[in-house]
Amino acid sequence: DAGITQSPRHKVTETGTPVTLRCHQTENHRYMYWYRQDPGHGLRLIHYSYGVKDTDKGEVSDGYSVSRSKTEDFLLTLESATSSQTSVYFCAISESTGTRDTQYFGPGTRLTVL
Amino acid sequence: LAKTTQPISMDSYEGQEVNITCSHNNIATNDYITWYQQFPSQGPRFIIQGYKTKVTNEVASLFIPADRKSSTLSLPRVSLSDTAVYYCLVGDRNNAGNMLTFGGGTRLMVKP
Repeated sequence: DAGITQSPRHKVTETGTPVTLRCHQTENHRYMYWYRQDPGHGLRLIHYSYGVKDTDKGEVSDGYSVSRSKTEDFLLTLESATSSQTSVYFCAISESTGTRDTQYFGPGTRLTVL
Repeated sequence: LAKTTQPISMDSYEGQEVNITCSHNNIATNDYITWYQQFPSQGPRFIIQGYKTKVTNEVASLFIPADRKSSTLSLPRVSLSDTAVYYCLVGDRNNAGNMLTFGGGTRLMVKP
């Protein structure tokens, strides 16, 4: 399995508080992604990164920000968490830019916003 | 964006062959077709990828007709452990990244 870890694995927080989720990889892959998964919606892309300090928005980026200061770390921040952001968050990495790219996923973080 | 359509769910029995078909009418010339498997409480896992005709690995086969507007994932002799959600994805690119769009997937239930 690809070396991807996510922390924390579970978190319960209250509405209005800031939350940061961390994705760490040991594969030195260029691309990193954050997805959220909700019942009935499959996985939806939040933000992605194509290099250090290079990020872009995905399908559902409102309310989220990201940062990537090192190749191995990609942080997802909820500046002021809302109950609608209760979800399971997955980080993924990929090596190449080609359409034959394969994404490798982390174990996920279950976030509950009360 | 290239969109995919798959059945929401399928049932099968142990030992049977399972075929899951995905429609992707707007697939682009350079797009590849990729299938992922997801077990409960885990991230998706790559199964197989192809561009045209047939691809086979130790886990599955992928059949892609000449027009590439659909693809079929074939799982031979499924077992209970193959119960999972299967996602069909078509490579979709924007200006700077490599975004793959996950649809709702197909929930496969394998029964004894």
